[in-house]
Amino acid sequence: DADVTQTPRNRITKTGKRIMLECSQTKGHDRMYWYRQDPGLGLRLIYYSFDVKDINKGEISDGYSVSRQAQAKFSLSLESAIPNQTALYFCATSDHRRGNGELFFGEGSRLTVL
Amino acid sequence: RKEVEQDPGPFNVPEGATVAFNCTYSNSASQSFFWYRQDCRKEPKLLMSVYSSGNEDGRFTAQLNRASQYISLLIRDSKLSDSATYLCVVNPMDSSYKLIFGSGTRLLVRP
Repeated sequence: DADVTQTPRNRITKTGKRIMLECSQTKGHDRMYWYRQDPGLGLRLIYYSFDVKDINKGEISDGYSVSRQAQAKFSLSLESAIPNQTALYFCATSDHRRGNGELFFGEGSRLTVL
Repeated sequence: RKEVEQDPGPFNVPEGATVAFNCTYSNSASQSFFWYRQDCRKEPKLLMSVYSSGNEDGRFTAQLNRASQYISLLIRDSKLSDSATYLCVVNPMDSSYKLIFGSGTRLLVRP
């Protein structure tokens, strides 16, 4: 079983719909992240969280919100989806005690907004 | 100018070949550097860290050139299973939340 699990893995939705992507981890890591990946672009950070009560905006947070419900769970919401939010979304975790820059990614959630 | 730039490729090489990728970064204060590997439709995974003194792991060698602001990845004796996209990753502030990902270099190893 994957240590970082994302649901759903694939989702097609319509413009204006609310979408939630969920992420859970069994690695015991304190830090969690949401990235999106688009063809020809690097992974871009949307939001990150260092602990349950800590939420920080990343490079491209507009149009997104997150919730860190527990140390093991970090969800990403699109309140009103638009077509340019069509992308591959990755959740990732890291352990601050290691400090070696290693992120552990989930398998990705492919979102299509029509 | 992008913060991290890579040649998108694809690099198409025969099995057994040696291939090298470079990656340039714009922030001269960048602290740490990494190569990640991403298979088609899969998540990225850490391949190796890049130290100032260089780093070798089997057939893979990573090097850092701070003066010219680039890192490199050399793959010797290429295998079919090396076919993937290689992501250059830079941490400008030595804290994991600020990793900057390149868009990747695609490698195809043919029989």
